[in-house]
Amino acid sequence: DGGITQSPKYLFRKEGQNVTLSCEQNLNHDAMYWYRQDPGQGLRLIYYSQIVNDFQKGDIAEGYSVSREKKESFPLTVTSAQKNPTAFYLCASSIDAGAGNSPLHFGNGTRLTVT
Amino acid sequence: GDSVTQMEGPVTLSEEAFLTINCTYTATGYPSLFWYVQYPGEGLQLLLKATKADDKGSNKGFEATYRKETTSFHLEKGSVQVSDSAVYFCALKVSNFGNEKLTFGTGTRLTIIP
Repeated sequence: DGGITQSPKYLFRKEGQNVTLSCEQNLNHDAMYWYRQDPGQGLRLIYYSQIVNDFQKGDIAEGYSVSREKKESFPLTVTSAQKNPTAFYLCASSIDAGAGNSPLHFGNGTRLTVT
Repeated sequence: GDSVTQMEGPVTLSEEAFLTINCTYTATGYPSLFWYVQYPGEGLQLLLKATKADDKGSNKGFEATYRKETTSFHLEKGSVQVSDSAVYFCALKVSNFGNEKLTFGTGTRLTIIP
């Protein structure tokens, strides 16, 4: 079955440490996205990538970094510069970023807790 | 900029009740509109979509009509079930090459009581 795999489901880190969240898709989608979900705030876009080796900042990119070396993979690094990293992180993909009506397919998320 | 305003929750209904979750939007272009559903501990799943004015999206008994004149995309279901308990997100996407992203509302938590 095709889909998006995020790992791990739960992640715990100490403050000051960088941490990388994994996102892999086997849907052959061109575009991939990272969202952050906080209670009462809905989803906010961190970074997105429309094609391999290219990515753009979303609305809240500060303190995060990404790479897109392969079509299937779009890892997100939460750096120590991110002031409030504890959140639920969702990865998504779509078949074609240029088509306005192409829906997003989501992974099951990674809940990151930083203490 | 683009934005989505959703009815605030939480919403609690009895089984077989009629459901409406309001959604209005502001967009600079001609958006496609979506409803996503999130079950506990999971990511979001596409529930339905509409790509132009007067289109009606439907799935699993849920419906929403793209109303350009009122900039709305309200979600409705005639008879809800306990299994419909989830968080529902309204979203829009404007086709703007070089700046593709989905803009979400804040979500509405729905609880259905047997």
